[in-house]
Amino acid sequence: SQKIEQNSEALNIQEGKTATLTCNYTNYSPAYLQWYRQDPGRGPVFLLLIRENEKEKRKERLKVTFDTTLKQSLFHITASQPADSATYLCALSNSGYALNFGKGTSLLVTP
Amino acid sequence: NAGVMQNPRHLVRRRGQEARLRCSPVKGHSHVYWYRQLPEEGLKFMVYLQKENIIDESGMPKERFSAEFPKEGPSILRIQQVVRGDSAAYFCASSPTGDNEKLFFGSGTQLSVL
Repeated sequence: SQKIEQNSEALNIQEGKTATLTCNYTNYSPAYLQWYRQDPGRGPVFLLLIRENEKEKRKERLKVTFDTTLKQSLFHITASQPADSATYLCALSNSGYALNFGKGTSLLVTP
Repeated sequence: NAGVMQNPRHLVRRRGQEARLRCSPVKGHSHVYWYRQLPEEGLKFMVYLQKENIIDESGMPKERFSAEFPKEGPSILRIQQVVRGDSAAYFCASSPTGDNEKLFFGSGTQLSVL
């Protein structure tokens, strides 16, 4: 069956450090993979999309890698800030219209 | 520049009643998606609609649930004869294209069934 797995345990890091979140998937052959941020009581907010032919993508303090051989994406936040505290969701689809989400990893950045 | 607007934010229903959830997409977006999020669960796709058409309802329960996106007005997710298991956060998302890249989500409707 298709699975999208993200670290279920919350990630606690100190302000200024780099946070690294992992997304592993099975039984998908995605053309692209997306990362979203979700704050409590709010809807997800799109952050980055990386395509299968791209190894790495950056946006300000965010960096995403996509390894289709390992079936894994890594999401990095450099120079993390308390405002980065949120749940981060990995999302992908094989084809069609359904975008499938992982359960998310909760990130807490402490001053 | 309003984003996706969902209402109500909170909806309380008793078992057996009907719930109607509304979603106005980003202006100019003609593609709407509905997702459900249960506590400690990920977002689950329910249905994808274009104006006046249901394109993919593979994630929608076969009974009691229906969705529409009329030519004029918001998209509606309708749940008839609600049960306690329907309690969840329901999110609507829109996009300018139908390729589910970069979805814009609303803040959701929290449905509580007593």
